[in-house]
Amino acid sequence: GAVVSQHPSRVICKSGTSVKIECRSLDFQATTMFWYRQFPKKSLMLMATSNEGSKATYEQGVEKDKFLINHASLTLSTLTVTSAHPEDSSFYICSAMGGASVDTIYFGEGSWLTVV
Amino acid sequence: KQEVTQIPAALSVPEGENLVLNCSFTDSAIYNLQWFRQDPGKGLTSLLLIQSSQREQTSGRLNASLDKSSGRSTLYIAASQPGDSATYLCAVSHGNQFYFGTGTSLTVIP
Repeated sequence: GAVVSQHPSRVICKSGTSVKIECRSLDFQATTMFWYRQFPKKSLMLMATSNEGSKATYEQGVEKDKFLINHASLTLSTLTVTSAHPEDSSFYICSAMGGASVDTIYFGEGSWLTVV
Repeated sequence: KQEVTQIPAALSVPEGENLVLNCSFTDSAIYNLQWFRQDPGKGLTSLLLIQSSQREQTSGRLNASLDKSSGRSTLYIAASQPGDSATYLCAVSHGNQFYFGTGTSLTVIP
């Protein structure tokens, strides 16, 4: 079946540095990918929607200059957290739409980011 | 705006018990509903997906039901095991966008 892979699954970075998280659709073309973030003891919240070859659409309150999303190909979207701060520490998960049923959405396993 | 609520927030049961986790949502015009499991420090694992036209889905010891009209879903876990200890999330979708509940943290005591 369709699989969405996220890498890295866990990452620790220093404050002020940037970190990139990749989301890949392994056996299907994903025209649209979504990025979510989970705050402590809160639900996962949609950050942005990215369509291949175009700029991402960010949800209200999400800083697009801080959370850079690139969807350069039909199988890869990246989320770059720029100038990371400890408050950016969170669980980030992507999902991709596509596969045998074009409107089916598959989730990656998520990435835990810790900024020290 | 869709709001998804999960009750209880935490649940502790002895091994072997059957249990029910609840999920409610405010907008019944959903595309589908999905139950996930999240282990501490780990990612999400999809457990069951119920399309809006379906009433329930079963996988092993898990059974999920959906009542769109009342805005409710339940996840039934039979004969619970310590390995079932995790946070369980439900999510409803409106087209492309998912709305997640805050989860129920389940502890199964050996």
